Amino acid sequence: KNQVEQSPQSLIILEGKNCTLQCNYTVSPFSNLRWYKQDTGRGPVSLTIMTFSENTKSNGRYTATLDADTKQSSLHITASQLSDSASYICVVSTSGTYKYIFGTGTRLKVLA
Amino acid sequence: GAVVSQHPSWVICKSGTSVKIECRSLDFQATTMFWYRQFPKQSLMLMATSNEGSKATYEQGVEKDKFLINHASLTLSTLTVTSAHPEDSSFYICSAKLPRTIDEQFFGPGTRLTVL
Repeated sequence: KNQVEQSPQSLIILEGKNCTLQCNYTVSPFSNLRWYKQDTGRGPVSLTIMTFSENTKSNGRYTATLDADTKQSSLHITASQLSDSASYICVVSTSGTYKYIFGTGTRLKVLA
Repeated sequence: GAVVSQHPSWVICKSGTSVKIECRSLDFQATTMFWYRQFPKQSLMLMATSNEGSKATYEQGVEKDKFLINHASLTLSTLTVTSAHPEDSSFYICSAKLPRTIDEQFFGPGTRLTVL
């Protein structure tokens, strides 16, 4: 069964600190992996996208990594800001159907 | 570019009434749109795939007579929740597939439906 699991479920950090979110997936056949940021009451916004051959992708203070062998990805947030408070969702797309398989998300709270 | 809008952003209705939610791709034409629902603290769940000019494809367990989808133009898809009940209260999000890409979807801001 195609699944995407994320950890931790929730995380609280102080402003300025770094954090890393994890994503494990069992999706086959794999097409690509995306990280989204979803503010409360809003739709998801894309942060990064990685294909099978890509190991890392950065978008400002966000850096995503992908290990296709172990089927793991991480999202590292550097120098967190209050506006980083949101849910971060890992999404894996299957080749063939190209449907999105969503992880359950990590809720990040950044405190002043 | 690639902006998707939804209307309304929130709606409150009485049980038994029908509610229509619109999803528009503002700066591109989308032959394929998707409808998702999201319960509190849960992730998005795909309800159906909407294809312009043809019938929508519903995911298993989603009642097509309950959730009517119309994709009459390349920039507009609508979801009508018929005879709404309190258990239909949820956050409904649409997305539009960017043309000439394999699977790039852009999401709307969502519609909060509350059924009293």
